[in-house]
Amino acid sequence: KAGVTQTPRYLIKTRGQQVTLSCSPISGHRSVSWYQQTPGQGLQFLFEYFSETQRNKGNFPGRFSGRQFSNSRSEMNVSTLELGDSALYLCASSSGTGLYEQYFGPGTRLTVT
Amino acid sequence: DQQVKQNSPSLSVQEGRISILNCDYTNSMFDYFLWYKKYPAEGPTFLISISSIKDKNEDGRFTVFLNKSAKHLSLHIVPSQPGDSAVYFCAASATRRGGADGLTFGKGTHLIIQP
Repeated sequence: KAGVTQTPRYLIKTRGQQVTLSCSPISGHRSVSWYQQTPGQGLQFLFEYFSETQRNKGNFPGRFSGRQFSNSRSEMNVSTLELGDSALYLCASSSGTGLYEQYFGPGTRLTVT
Repeated sequence: DQQVKQNSPSLSVQEGRISILNCDYTNSMFDYFLWYKKYPAEGPTFLISISSIKDKNEDGRFTVFLNKSAKHLSLHIVPSQPGDSAVYFCAASATRRGGADGLTFGKGTHLIIQP
């Protein structure tokens, strides 16, 4: 079974721009979660989508948004980029029901200059 | 306020010996716990999980112990192998109707297996 894929793997943007990251979950998984990893804050939960609906949300500003399509693929958008948004953005997929493990993709490394 | 804490940033263990990684949590709503391993430039890889209704779960060389009264869990790796050298993250989740909240991660412990 193919794993979680994320595109692009690396991205460089300038302050004020916006960016869209993409995630394709494991086949059959209906839940996609997004995390931000930085050296100072570690891994932090952004939001989770299940069946095209945002089900859970972490403590991030509204500049961070996402969506999920009917095939469970998900996109994350960050508007008005700030230097502090430079991070590794990880997507994780899971079945989304009951107690479930999340399986992570390789991440997208975003650098904001 | 860090709800999941891994107090040892790094741990060095000899090959063949037991590695014990520790994790403490403060949120009593957490009822599902997971361990992930991460190599540089890769996403975390799921290792093993445990529900709060259990106190031990075993999978091959990996065993996770949960002490709910102490709000403490540990991951034992026996025997330790060179390929186990990585950063290990403890994560916790509070399940609720309709699914779990996002995972809350500790800051990680860098395990180094020495030959």
